[in-house]
Amino acid sequence: SQQGEEDPQALSIQEGENATMNCSYKTSINNLQWYRQNSGRGLVHLILIRSNEREKHSGRLRVTLDTSKKSSSLLITASRAADTASYFCATEPLTNAGGTSYGKLTFGQGTILTVHP
Amino acid sequence: KAGVTQTPRYLIKTRGQQVTLSCSPISGHRSVSWYQQTPGQGLQFLFEYFSETQRNKGNFPGRFSGRQFSNSRSEMNVSTLELGDSALYLCASSLRSLAKNIQYFGAGTRLSVL
Repeated sequence: SQQGEEDPQALSIQEGENATMNCSYKTSINNLQWYRQNSGRGLVHLILIRSNEREKHSGRLRVTLDTSKKSSSLLITASRAADTASYFCATEPLTNAGGTSYGKLTFGQGTILTVHP
Repeated sequence: KAGVTQTPRYLIKTRGQQVTLSCSPISGHRSVSWYQQTPGQGLQFLFEYFSETQRNKGNFPGRFSGRQFSNSRSEMNVSTLELGDSALYLCASSLRSLAKNIQYFGAGTRLSVL
């Protein structure tokens, strides 16, 4: 079952606008990652934010993490038609012993982003 | 560096058959994880292999199994196929590093069970 939920489920914007997607999760995590998927193909890693970080930037991407609310947001600025894809947040959970569950990502349901030229 | 390679890209099987999917990780990556993606359940973790040993397992029945070879290549097997096993199966490789555990995904194998 999915750990997290993302909203909105679908987002439609014009080129040049900003796109914001939100993600919530349920358990303690080591890190949270965002991935992009084009048309049912493989996932491409976008950005990783560790549990002790609050904000991270990479090019046109800005990610925030609030561990007290167990939520994250992904902002894509100045969107382009090529950004049209599904976006997923994924968490790497901590084990009961406080270690990390390597290789075991728990994905949200995803946000389908459509950017119109 | 070559990316993660999954073969075959497409498969059509009938109920009751078994299937084997293959995944070659990025050179130097020793961790391989498998995921199932369906429209209804989304992306779900199947299992992870590291150094030829299964290290983590998701909530899937025993019909789903895997293995990893000494060159880190991994195979996933599904026996007694059911219609609900139709899905995109993705594998991902990583360095399994605490500092930066990014998973790199292959293009997937799309399995259709008739």
